[in-house]
Amino acid sequence: SQTIHQWPATLVQPVGSPLSLECTVEGTSNPNLYWYRQAAGRGLQLLFYSVGIGQISSEVPQNLSASRPQDRQFILSSKKLLLSDSGFYLCAWSVTRRDIQYFGAGTRLSVL
Amino acid sequence: EDKVVQSPLSLVVHEGDTVTLNCSYEVTNFRSLLWYKQEKKAPTFLFMLTSSGIEKKSGRLSSILDKKELFSILNITATQTGDSAVYLCAVGSITGTYKYIFGTGTRLKVLA
Repeated sequence: SQTIHQWPATLVQPVGSPLSLECTVEGTSNPNLYWYRQAAGRGLQLLFYSVGIGQISSEVPQNLSASRPQDRQFILSSKKLLLSDSGFYLCAWSVTRRDIQYFGAGTRLSVL
Repeated sequence: EDKVVQSPLSLVVHEGDTVTLNCSYEVTNFRSLLWYKQEKKAPTFLFMLTSSGIEKKSGRLSSILDKKELFSILNITATQTGDSAVYLCAVGSITGTYKYIFGTGTRLKVLA
């Protein structure tokens, strides 16, 4: 069966520090991968998606970037965090873009 | 602009009550609608709806889609405290590239 791992679960970082959140999927090949941000009182906002290694599409301009160095690994990064980057970040995978998306447990990021 | 609106925003009921959650949408080129349950972290998949009038059912939960009136409902009968969660609705749309647009969710609290 397929599983998705996301870490860390919580993170407290100072403004201006770098960020690296990691997501890995097991039990499937060539998944579509997604990074979402969930802010309080708002729906999940799609940040990035990837249909294959090295293929990243950005949905909104922001202080963040994403990379996919391996087939089942998706990384969310920032060189310098802003206060506005605080939130709950979710990684998800699907077989194709039109299929059900399955989510990781999320990372709660607090930028102070 | 594509949008998904869920109502009510929050709901408090007692165990044994029946609840109906609503999801209305305005999207271009509708393809599918997903319901998720989010307790604390990862949203977990409940239903995928693509055709009008066909009820999907799982235990005490059921859902139906009306593509003419552009909405879906999620029913929970004989609610239990374990049903307490945020219920998310997401609509798949091809506007540019295929993606799911999420509503802000309905927070359900079931009291013993």
